[in-house]
Amino acid sequence: TQLLEQSPQFLSIQEGENLTVYCNSSSVFSSLQWYRQEPGEGPVLLVTVVTGGEVKKLKRLTFQFGDARKDSSLHITAAQPGDTGLYLCAGAMDAGNMLTFGGGTRLMVKP
Amino acid sequence: SQTIHQWPATLVQPVGSPLSLECTVEGTSNPNLYWYRQAAGRGLQLLFYSVGIGQISSEVPQNLSASRPQDRQFILSSKKLLLSDSGFYLCAWGWSAYNEQFFGPGTRLTVL
Repeated sequence: TQLLEQSPQFLSIQEGENLTVYCNSSSVFSSLQWYRQEPGEGPVLLVTVVTGGEVKKLKRLTFQFGDARKDSSLHITAAQPGDTGLYLCAGAMDAGNMLTFGGGTRLMVKP
Repeated sequence: SQTIHQWPATLVQPVGSPLSLECTVEGTSNPNLYWYRQAAGRGLQLLFYSVGIGQISSEVPQNLSASRPQDRQFILSSKKLLLSDSGFYLCAWGWSAYNEQFFGPGTRLTVL
């Protein structure tokens, strides 16, 4: 059983559609990060959220941290083929520099 | 700016052979260093982490070991590889209070 559950595991959509990826846990996190990874490469940090209820925007991507700091969501507006990749959430339960990763959501955006 | 290097990029090794993967970080001092393994298209499993030279913590009992001979160098080793050691190995560094980690390009290991 993973500490962080991501859903859906796979998502295939057409260019221009909107989507939301969820990252859920029964544990409280001091911070939570979202990464995007392309095949054969290392994950790239997109955003860090640290405050319950916090919302951050990165162009067409909107990240939200749950009020209780147990869950997070990533919403993409008007998806483009360049958004294709594996999206990973990762949470830290304290400031000890250890991260727990979710299982990932593989997104494919078709032109 | 900080950069992180891993080599080799790909490696094919026979069962029972030794392994040495290297990771180096530039542009930062006394970083926390991490080794992860990733199954195909899935999440990351933390293998080892280090908060300083010679300080290694293991998260998963396995056929692998890690060493940190210098501040910005992290090495993943095995004396005898198993088929189950195949995977994508990622090195990362981090230092912030928010636990942000930054990843290298990875090494694809295939054990035959």
